[in-house]
Amino acid sequence: AQSVTQPDARVTVSEGASLQLRCKYSYSGTPYLFWYVQYPRQGLQLLLKYYSGDPVVQGVNGFEAEFSKSNSSFHLRKASVHWSDSAVYFCVLSAPSGSWQLIFGSGTQLTVMP
Amino acid sequence: AQTIHQWPVAEIKAVGSPLSLGCTIKGKSSPNLYWYWQATGGTLQQLFYSITVGQVESVVQLNLSASRPKDDQFILSTEKLLLSHSGFYLCAWSLEGISNERLFFGHGTKLSVL
Repeated sequence: AQSVTQPDARVTVSEGASLQLRCKYSYSGTPYLFWYVQYPRQGLQLLLKYYSGDPVVQGVNGFEAEFSKSNSSFHLRKASVHWSDSAVYFCVLSAPSGSWQLIFGSGTQLTVMP
Repeated sequence: AQTIHQWPVAEIKAVGSPLSLGCTIKGKSSPNLYWYWQATGGTLQQLFYSITVGQVESVVQLNLSASRPKDDQFILSTEKLLLSHSGFYLCAWSLEGISNERLFFGHGTKLSVL
């Protein structure tokens, strides 16, 4: 069965520190993977996506993620966080073409302390 | 530019009362449309998707229904609300199948059922 696990419900870091948000997935092949961010009282916005190729994908606002097939992971990273990065981050999986369903992780609430 | 508008922004309703939530997409013809539900503090569940006018597919059964009366409009409704319907409802659109394209989300509707 397809699933996405974000083991950290809440992460708190200081402004300027580096960040890693973890994501593990379960899927028999190579899925399409996304990271979305949700700011308070708003919809979700796409940060980055992985379909194939280079396992490190660059996103908006300095975010990047690394796909690992051997570890079934797609961790999100940022070298230096800003207070405005405080939000909920969702790791999302989709089966390649023909699928109409996205599987969302439970989300990680990121708080950046000034 | 494409815009997505959801209404109302928030609703407080009594158990057993009817509900209608709306979503309109402007600036894009024949989009794929989706309804998502997010329980308080929880992840997102896809409820419905629609590829074309008059056609809606259900993904999760939550005693809700959806309709697409116009190309740019997607309606979520029920005749009798349950307490478990409380949460945040998000409408989204995409150009093609979910697997291949990003989703663009509205700002959502917060529903409180009392």
